[in-house]
Amino acid sequence: GAVVSQHPSRVICKSGTSVKIECRSLDFQATTMFWYRQFPKQSLMLMATSNEGSKATYEQGVEKDKFLINHASLTLSTLTVTSAHPEDSSFYICSATGEHNSPLHFGNGTRLTVT
Amino acid sequence: AQTVTQSQPEMSVQEAETVTLSCTYDTSESDYYLFWYKQPPSRQMILVIRQEAYKQQNATENRFSVNFQKAAKSFSLKISDSQLGDAAMYFCAYRPKETSGSRLTFGEGTQLTVNP
Repeated sequence: GAVVSQHPSRVICKSGTSVKIECRSLDFQATTMFWYRQFPKQSLMLMATSNEGSKATYEQGVEKDKFLINHASLTLSTLTVTSAHPEDSSFYICSATGEHNSPLHFGNGTRLTVT
Repeated sequence: AQTVTQSQPEMSVQEAETVTLSCTYDTSESDYYLFWYKQPPSRQMILVIRQEAYKQQNATENRFSVNFQKAAKSFSLKISDSQLGDAAMYFCAYRPKETSGSRLTFGEGTQLTVNP
């Protein structure tokens, strides 16, 4: 079945630094990728939708200059948390889908801790 | 806008028993997808079952089945013969049937505990 690889699975960084999270579709062309944030015991909150080759669409309340999303190819999207602060500590999950409303596949998530 | 509601933050069941998780949704669309996802402590999102709205027959996957009531906009998940490995957070989700790139909208989740 289709696989989405998300890396790293865990990252600890110091406040003020930037962190990049990668989401790769390994065996299909991901025309659309979604980035979610999840706090403990809560649901997944959609942060942004990215389409290959175009700018990401951010959900209301999500700072686009804080959470930079790049979807430069059909197999890779990246989320960069810039100037990270402790309140950015969270679990981030990507998902990807191909053409014609094909199934969504999730990465395994990244646990970000900002100290 | 579509919304998904799970009114049971927590549920528990005895091993080998049956449990039903509730989900309601709101949409003006006539065709769409509904899903149940399982998220164990590893936090990996695992697809449990999928239903297409135009199909009247309720989806079934082994011990998991749904009761899809389109008119009532209800989509409950029944887990039969519960096992310890079923303990997890369960999310109901809605996805419109657009041409491409449509997003999932998740409910708040139900934390299921399975008691031995």
